[in-house]
Amino acid sequence: GAVVSQHPSRVICKSGTSVKIECRSLDFQATTMFWYRQFPKKSLMLMATSNEGSKATYEQGVEKDKFLINHASLTLSTLTVTSAHPEDSSFYICSANVYLDNTEAFFGQGTRLTVV
Amino acid sequence: QKEVEQNSGPLSVPEGAIASLNCTYSDRGSQSFFWYRQYSGKSPELIMSIYSNGDKEDGRFTAQLNKASQYVSLLIRDSQPSDSATYLCAGPFSGGYNKLIFGAGTRLAVHP
Repeated sequence: GAVVSQHPSRVICKSGTSVKIECRSLDFQATTMFWYRQFPKKSLMLMATSNEGSKATYEQGVEKDKFLINHASLTLSTLTVTSAHPEDSSFYICSANVYLDNTEAFFGQGTRLTVV
Repeated sequence: QKEVEQNSGPLSVPEGAIASLNCTYSDRGSQSFFWYRQYSGKSPELIMSIYSNGDKEDGRFTAQLNKASQYVSLLIRDSQPSDSATYLCAGPFSGGYNKLIFGAGTRLAVHP
């Protein structure tokens, strides 16, 4: 399958600081990537769709000013959690589809964010 | 209304048995479904995709899709303790955009 690399895998930050998470497609170009968050023992919650060269599309209830998404190239999308608070602590996962008309998604390794 | 539903489990089966995981969906127009396996603390890993009615086999895994009943299942034969994980069923979002909607996941425990 296709390879999606996510970095960092773990990060601990202080309240009020910002954290950037990178998601890269290593062996294919991804015009669209997706960002999820997952709480313990819960399913994946889609946060936003990251579109190369345009603004991200956020799901209802997700603060776009809090979770900044940038998709500057066909292989890189970034999620920045701004002014982080302890309630932002979660597992964040990105995914990408290999083909434009295909919903088969490949996931990055995930980022465990802990805000202290 | 949830678009993809799964029983959260846990489903406990003995080693060597068949594990049967089920999923229902609400959008009759959905054409493709996916089963992902997620180990604790890890991201989901695609194990099966199915696009047409009937069965699709890959090693010890068989996915079954019944579009008339809006039902998709995953059978794991000869279950091993290493199969213990949460299995997520996913289908396309009815609004398009190539998004996937995930079920809540079924936790499978295979005991020796």
